[in-house]
Amino acid sequence: AQTVTQSQPEMSVQEAETVTLSCTYDTSESNYYLFWYKQPPSRQMILVIRQEAYKQQNATENRFSVNFQKAAKSFSLKISDSQLGDTAMYFCAFMRNTDKLIFGTGTRLQVFP
Amino acid sequence: DTAVSQTPKYLVTQMGNDKSIKCEQNLGHDTMYWYKQDSKKFLKIMFSYNNKELIINETVPNRFSPKSPDKAHLNLHINSLELGDSAVYFCASTSILAGGHKETQYFGPGTRLLVL
Repeated sequence: AQTVTQSQPEMSVQEAETVTLSCTYDTSESNYYLFWYKQPPSRQMILVIRQEAYKQQNATENRFSVNFQKAAKSFSLKISDSQLGDTAMYFCAFMRNTDKLIFGTGTRLQVFP
Repeated sequence: DTAVSQTPKYLVTQMGNDKSIKCEQNLGHDTMYWYKQDSKKFLKIMFSYNNKELIINETVPNRFSPKSPDKAHLNLHINSLELGDSAVYFCASTSILAGGHKETQYFGPGTRLLVL
Protein backbone atom coordinates (compact mmCIF):
# COMPACT_ATOMS: atom_id res chain seq x y z
CA ALA A 1 0.00 0.00 0.00
CA GLN A 2 1.14 3.49 -0.71
CA THR A 3 2.10 5.75 2.20
CA VAL A 4 3.03 9.41 2.42
CA THR A 5 5.21 10.75 5.24
CA GLN A 6 5.65 14.36 6.29
CA SER A 7 8.20 14.34 9.08
CA GLN A 8 7.87 18.01 10.07
CA PRO A 9 4.66 18.62 12.05
CA GLU A 10 5.45 22.34 12.35
CA MET A 11 7.75 24.81 10.64
CA SER A 12 8.24 28.54 10.92
CA VAL A 13 9.89 31.08 8.67
CA GLN A 14 10.40 34.82 8.59
CA GLU A 15 8.66 36.85 5.93
CA ALA A 16 10.70 37.09 2.69
CA GLU A 17 12.83 34.06 3.64
CA THR A 18 12.82 30.63 2.03
CA VAL A 19 11.49 27.46 3.62
CA THR A 20 11.46 23.82 2.49
CA LEU A 21 8.82 21.29 3.53
CA SER A 22 9.70 17.60 3.30
CA CYS A 23 7.68 14.72 1.96
CA THR A 24 8.58 11.11 1.27
CA TYR A 25 6.35 8.41 -0.12
CA ASP A 26 6.41 4.70 -0.64
CA THR A 27 5.11 2.98 -3.77
CA SER A 28 5.98 0.22 -6.18
CA GLU A 29 4.19 2.04 -9.02
CA SER A 30 6.14 3.79 -11.76
CA ASN A 31 3.30 6.00 -12.98
CA TYR A 32 1.77 8.37 -10.45
CA TYR A 33 1.17 12.00 -9.47
CA LEU A 34 2.30 14.05 -6.50
CA PHE A 35 0.69 17.17 -5.14
CA TRP A 36 1.08 19.82 -2.50
CA TYR A 37 -2.16 21.24 -1.14
CA LYS A 38 -2.44 24.23 1.18
CA GLN A 39 -5.14 24.50 3.84
CA PRO A 40 -5.35 27.98 5.41
CA PRO A 41 -7.49 28.65 8.51
CA SER A 42 -10.49 29.01 6.21
CA ARG A 43 -10.03 25.20 5.77
CA GLN A 44 -10.33 25.39 1.97
CA MET A 45 -8.03 22.85 0.26
CA ILE A 46 -6.04 24.76 -2.37
CA LEU A 47 -3.75 23.15 -4.90
CA VAL A 48 -0.24 24.59 -4.68
CA ILE A 49 1.66 22.47 -7.18
CA ARG A 50 1.49 19.17 -9.06
CA GLN A 51 4.17 16.81 -10.42
CA GLU A 52 3.75 13.92 -12.81
CA ALA A 53 6.18 11.08 -12.03
CA TYR A 54 7.07 10.60 -15.70
CA LYS A 55 8.35 14.18 -15.94
CA GLN A 56 11.96 14.64 -14.91
CA GLN A 57 11.71 18.41 -14.71
CA ASN A 58 10.72 19.79 -11.32
CA ALA A 59 7.42 21.67 -11.29
CA THR A 60 7.37 25.37 -10.41
CA GLU A 61 4.52 27.79 -9.78
CA ASN A 62 5.71 31.33 -9.11
CA ARG A 63 7.29 31.29 -5.62
CA PHE A 64 6.62 27.56 -5.16
CA SER A 65 8.88 24.85 -6.53
CA VAL A 66 9.46 21.18 -5.83
CA ASN A 67 12.50 18.97 -5.63
CA PHE A 68 11.28 15.64 -7.01
CA GLN A 69 13.71 12.77 -6.49
CA LYS A 70 12.00 9.71 -7.95
CA ALA A 71 14.63 7.16 -6.96
CA ALA A 72 14.68 8.43 -3.39
CA LYS A 73 10.85 8.80 -3.38
CA SER A 74 11.16 12.32 -2.11
CA PHE A 75 9.01 15.33 -3.01
CA SER A 76 9.90 18.50 -1.09
CA LEU A 77 8.24 21.89 -1.48
CA LYS A 78 10.29 25.09 -1.50
CA ILE A 79 8.55 28.37 -0.80
CA SER A 80 10.63 31.40 -1.73
CA ASP A 81 10.04 34.96 -0.53
CA SER A 82 7.57 33.72 2.09
CA GLN A 83 4.52 35.86 2.68
CA LEU A 84 2.19 36.13 5.65
CA GLY A 85 -0.56 34.63 3.49
CA ASP A 86 1.47 31.45 3.15
CA THR A 87 0.63 30.60 6.78
CA ALA A 88 -1.35 27.35 6.53
CA MET A 89 -1.25 23.56 6.82
CA TYR A 90 0.51 22.00 3.86
CA PHE A 91 -0.38 18.49 2.77
CA CYS A 92 1.68 16.31 0.46
CA ALA A 93 -0.44 13.84 -1.50
CA PHE A 94 0.11 10.87 -3.83
CA MET A 95 -2.20 9.59 -6.55
CA ARG A 96 -1.96 6.73 -9.01
CA ASN A 97 -3.37 7.12 -12.48
CA THR A 98 -6.94 6.12 -11.73
CA ASP A 99 -7.12 6.31 -7.97
CA LYS A 100 -7.71 8.39 -4.88
CA LEU A 101 -5.44 10.92 -3.16
CA ILE A 102 -3.38 9.57 -0.27
CA PHE A 103 -2.36 12.36 2.07
CA GLY A 104 0.48 12.87 4.50
CA THR A 105 -0.22 14.09 8.01
CA GLY A 106 0.51 17.70 7.12
CA THR A 107 3.02 20.38 8.11
CA ARG A 108 1.79 23.50 9.86
CA LEU A 109 3.71 26.49 8.48
CA GLN A 110 3.79 29.79 10.33
CA VAL A 111 5.20 32.85 8.58
CA PHE A 112 6.37 35.58 10.98
CA PRO A 113 6.65 39.28 10.10
CA ASP B 1 -18.74 30.86 -10.16
CA THR B 2 -17.95 28.36 -7.39
CA ALA B 3 -16.38 25.29 -8.94
CA VAL B 4 -17.17 22.74 -6.20
CA SER B 5 -19.81 23.70 -3.66
CA GLN B 6 -21.07 21.93 -0.56
CA THR B 7 -24.11 22.48 1.62
CA PRO B 8 -24.34 23.01 4.44
CA LYS B 9 -21.02 24.51 5.58
CA TYR B 10 -21.78 23.72 9.21
CA LEU B 11 -23.95 21.00 10.70
CA VAL B 12 -24.59 20.52 14.41
CA THR B 13 -26.79 17.61 15.37
CA GLN B 14 -27.58 15.09 18.09
CA MET B 15 -26.33 11.53 18.25
CA GLY B 16 -28.67 9.11 16.55
CA ASN B 17 -29.98 11.60 13.97
CA ASP B 18 -29.77 11.16 10.19
CA LYS B 19 -28.25 13.94 8.10
CA SER B 20 -27.22 14.64 4.50
CA ILE B 21 -24.46 16.72 2.93
CA LYS B 22 -24.74 17.80 -0.69
CA CYS B 23 -22.02 18.47 -3.23
CA GLU B 24 -22.21 19.97 -6.69
CA GLN B 25 -19.49 20.72 -9.24
CA ASN B 26 -19.77 22.88 -12.35
CA LEU B 27 -16.40 21.91 -13.82
CA GLY B 28 -17.79 19.25 -16.15
CA HIS B 29 -15.84 16.56 -14.29
CA ASP B 30 -16.92 12.93 -14.34
CA THR B 31 -15.41 11.71 -11.06
CA MET B 32 -16.33 12.88 -7.57
CA TYR B 33 -15.04 11.98 -4.12
CA TRP B 34 -15.82 12.27 -0.44
CA TYR B 35 -12.92 12.73 1.99
CA LYS B 36 -13.05 12.91 5.79
CA GLN B 37 -10.70 15.13 7.81
CA ASP B 38 -10.55 14.16 11.47
CA SER B 39 -9.74 16.29 14.49
CA LYS B 40 -6.01 15.74 13.94
CA LYS B 41 -6.37 17.11 10.41
CA PHE B 42 -5.77 13.73 8.80
CA LEU B 43 -7.52 13.43 5.42
CA LYS B 44 -8.77 10.08 4.16
CA ILE B 45 -10.77 8.98 1.14
CA MET B 46 -14.25 7.60 1.82
CA PHE B 47 -15.93 7.14 -1.55
CA SER B 48 -15.49 7.84 -5.23
CA TYR B 49 -18.02 7.92 -8.06
CA ASN B 50 -17.34 7.95 -11.78
CA ASN B 51 -20.26 8.84 -14.03
CA LYS B 52 -22.72 8.00 -11.22
CA GLU B 53 -21.08 4.63 -10.56
CA LEU B 54 -19.40 3.79 -7.23
CA ILE B 55 -15.74 2.94 -7.85
CA ILE B 56 -14.11 3.37 -4.43
CA ASN B 57 -15.58 2.41 -1.06
CA GLU B 58 -12.93 2.55 1.63
CA THR B 59 -14.18 0.38 4.54
CA VAL B 60 -16.61 3.05 5.62
CA PRO B 61 -19.44 1.97 7.99
CA ASN B 62 -22.63 1.26 6.08
CA ARG B 63 -24.32 4.07 8.02
CA PHE B 64 -22.68 6.24 5.35
CA SER B 65 -24.41 6.05 1.98
CA PRO B 66 -23.28 8.15 -0.96
CA LYS B 67 -25.64 8.87 -3.82
CA SER B 68 -24.90 10.37 -7.21
CA PRO B 69 -28.04 11.44 -9.08
CA ASP B 70 -25.92 12.70 -11.99
CA LYS B 71 -22.24 13.24 -12.63
CA ALA B 72 -22.35 16.84 -11.32
CA HIS B 73 -23.73 15.86 -7.90
CA LEU B 74 -22.56 13.59 -5.12
CA ASN B 75 -24.45 13.54 -1.84
CA LEU B 76 -23.56 11.85 1.43
CA HIS B 77 -26.24 10.56 3.76
CA ILE B 78 -25.31 9.50 7.28
CA ASN B 79 -27.66 7.41 9.41
CA SER B 80 -27.61 7.07 13.20
CA LEU B 81 -24.88 9.66 13.73
CA GLU B 82 -22.21 8.88 16.32
CA LEU B 83 -19.82 11.14 18.24
CA GLY B 84 -16.92 9.79 16.19
CA ASP B 85 -18.53 11.06 12.99
CA SER B 86 -17.63 14.62 14.00
CA ALA B 87 -15.20 15.81 11.35
CA VAL B 88 -14.87 18.00 8.29
CA TYR B 89 -16.17 16.31 5.14
CA PHE B 90 -14.74 17.41 1.81
CA CYS B 91 -16.12 16.79 -1.63
CA ALA B 92 -13.72 16.82 -4.59
CA SER B 93 -13.95 16.30 -8.32
CA THR B 94 -11.69 15.48 -11.26
CA SER B 95 -11.66 14.15 -14.80
CA ILE B 96 -9.57 11.86 -16.92
CA LEU B 97 -7.57 13.81 -19.48
CA ALA B 98 -6.48 12.71 -22.93
CA GLY B 99 -4.10 9.78 -22.80
CA GLY B 100 -5.68 8.50 -19.56
CA HIS B 101 -3.95 11.08 -17.37
CA LYS B 102 -5.81 12.42 -14.37
CA GLU B 103 -6.78 16.03 -13.91
CA THR B 104 -6.06 17.63 -10.54
CA GLN B 105 -8.69 17.08 -7.85
CA TYR B 106 -10.51 20.26 -6.89
CA PHE B 107 -12.03 20.49 -3.45
CA GLY B 108 -15.18 22.00 -2.07
CA PRO B 109 -15.06 24.27 0.99
CA GLY B 110 -15.83 21.42 3.41
CA THR B 111 -18.71 20.72 5.77
CA ARG B 112 -17.92 20.79 9.47
CA LEU B 113 -20.10 18.21 11.20
CA LEU B 114 -20.40 18.26 14.98
CA VAL B 115 -22.31 15.45 16.67
CA LEU B 116 -23.36 16.17 20.26
